Amino acid sequence: GESVGLHLPTLSVQEGDNSIINCAYSNSASDYFIWYKQESGKGPQFIIDIRSNMDKRQGQRVTVLLNKTVKHLSLQIAATQPGDSAVYFCAETPISGGYNKLIFGAGTRLAVHP
Amino acid sequence: KAGVTQTPRYLIKTRGQQVTLSCSPISGHRSVSWYQQTPGQGLQFLFEYFSETQRNKGNFPGRFSGRQFSNSRSEMNVSTLELGDSALYLCASSLESNGGWEFFGPGTRLTVL
Repeated sequence: GESVGLHLPTLSVQEGDNSIINCAYSNSASDYFIWYKQESGKGPQFIIDIRSNMDKRQGQRVTVLLNKTVKHLSLQIAATQPGDSAVYFCAETPISGGYNKLIFGAGTRLAVHP
Repeated sequence: KAGVTQTPRYLIKTRGQQVTLSCSPISGHRSVSWYQQTPGQGLQFLFEYFSETQRNKGNFPGRFSGRQFSNSRSEMNVSTLELGDSALYLCASSLESNGGWEFFGPGTRLTVL
């Protein structure tokens, strides 16, 4: 499959453990944040989002935390499974910008070992 | 609903040629964005169209252009290809007119020789 990034930071976890992927965002005007998962040979896939008026949002096995004070996002994956192995990107966008435009972080490769 | 489709999936060109990539958004989505993904630069925004109008453009040279048709399908064109244009080109569509999450297609892998 296609390589999405040859020099990405890698997080290695054991199957069943919890994973935490971190992201620092750049724009104070950003008020909507999204985590995407990208598997080899595929486009990014939406995982979970959060608006700036929240500091935590939970989905199925995933939780996103937002700390606006230090401009930091994290994605927590509970009971990590081999199918979670992928590259994870955070993305930010201003809702009030009048257009759609995502600014992506560099990405983190998650490797899940049995 | 069918997802975002992109054609072709793979393309090989030589320096100096031009290329046109096509994207069909999810039915009902009027916003289409294009992104370039490379190992060195990551995912970078190229441009966004809504109702046939380019609303925003990223920091790319004028060799990169695009358009959107009345049925929301979009094309992007790169003229005078350079080796550095080799990348995965991703198209995304959104139901929201602004600030919405975007659904991505599988991308077109362009290799410039």
